[in-house]
Amino acid sequence: DQQVKQNSPSLSVQEGRISILNCDYTNSMFDYFLWYKKYPAEGPTFLISISSIKDKNEDGRFTVFLNKSAKHLSLHIVPSQPGDSAVYFCAASGTGANSKLTFGKGITLSVRP
Amino acid sequence: KAGVTQTPRYLIKTRGQQVTLSCSPISGHRSVSWYQQTPGQGLQFLFEYFSETQRNKGNFPGRFSGRQFSNSRSEMNVSTLELGDSALYLCASSLVSPSSYNEQFFGPGTRLTVL
Repeated sequence: DQQVKQNSPSLSVQEGRISILNCDYTNSMFDYFLWYKKYPAEGPTFLISISSIKDKNEDGRFTVFLNKSAKHLSLHIVPSQPGDSAVYFCAASGTGANSKLTFGKGITLSVRP
Repeated sequence: KAGVTQTPRYLIKTRGQQVTLSCSPISGHRSVSWYQQTPGQGLQFLFEYFSETQRNKGNFPGRFSGRQFSNSRSEMNVSTLELGDSALYLCASSLVSPSSYNEQFFGPGTRLTVL
């Protein structure tokens, strides 16, 4: 039973345009949602997160939106740059002793110059 | 501050052997988690250790085990290796706060290939 789902395995966008990466979850007990970026042969690096009490969090070119009623979150990257090409993982977590991360399977973003 | 380090970075073993992977967390971090990444399954949680005790465990067979030492360094062991154990094994460390989210910082991983 996959609790965090990234249904699209890949996305290709033109440099300068918006990239929208989607994620759905099934567990209502998740308190935090995160996006990680991963390059080949490296560990995932934290990108941005959002608490379940918010619906939007922005950090530079990256914005995460959370729709709790739909159990859906999305990552917007504006404008997209070639260096953004990587695998993006959506993850969800509880707090304290329940802070293990549950990951989606990832989406490969390719930004074309 | 040094990041999470994992050794070795690459490992080749044959079926039936056992392997031990090591992880050194960021200084001051007391929680260490292990994840397995495979192309078909993404990142899957193996287990988490805090203060030398296993605090959480994922759905992996008993061939996968781990431990944590008093200096927070952790090892994971896989016995009787199978071809399907070929994967990138990632370690992540975090501070521990009982009431708030604890951001996890990942190491570069150990690439295990089972022949």
